Amino acid sequence: QQPVQSPQAVILREGEDAVINCSSSKALYSVHWYRQKHGEAPVFLMILLKGGEQKGHEKISASFNEKKQQSSLYLTASQLSYSGTYFCGTGELTTGNQFYFGTGTSLTVIP
Amino acid sequence: DAGVIQSPRHEVTEMGQEVTLRCKPISGHNSLFWYRQTMMRGLELLIYFNNNVPIDDSGMPEDRFSAKMPNASFSTLKIQPSEPRDSAVYFCASSLGGGGLQHFGDGTRLSIL
Repeated sequence: QQPVQSPQAVILREGEDAVINCSSSKALYSVHWYRQKHGEAPVFLMILLKGGEQKGHEKISASFNEKKQQSSLYLTASQLSYSGTYFCGTGELTTGNQFYFGTGTSLTVIP
Repeated sequence: DAGVIQSPRHEVTEMGQEVTLRCKPISGHNSLFWYRQTMMRGLELLIYFNNNVPIDDSGMPEDRFSAKMPNASFSTLKIQPSEPRDSAVYFCASSLGGGGLQHFGDGTRLSIL
């Protein structure tokens, strides 16, 4: 079941913060976050597992609420290099290792 | 370390022709994924292998598509016969375990005329 991301698109000025949400209708055991720049392959950002945890990588962090079957990606003090399309990927408990990518969120950071 | 290697990078062919896309996963990774990406449908999982065995091919669009993984270091995705609607970027990704982080290849940009 493809997770739904929101917002679909966001435009930020450098230094502003953003939150991208990922929501599934299925019970999840993992959530992945990826960023894809135009014309390039998706690049892994982080993975959150059931029973965790909030993870962070520099100014990008994420949380995973198992009960709500939701994850959020937090980008603080955004930089121009953060521009791209962000995808969440979810591993569902009921289907074992089945993995679905979300609908994507286009993020543009302007000077 | 070498990443996931896909070939060719670009393929342009005529409708009806057979197309074969190739992927070499990262050494030691035991899970391999084939994805298709289009503007309309986003990133779609086509098939997933674990230890060279297809685990889930429910994303394969139709019988014209087939995928094989004869050994741990090589996989192919074949389209026969190809149609214009198959035009897309096809990504291969590998991971350590089905739930592990996925490393993507650079993709194959396929255009069917």
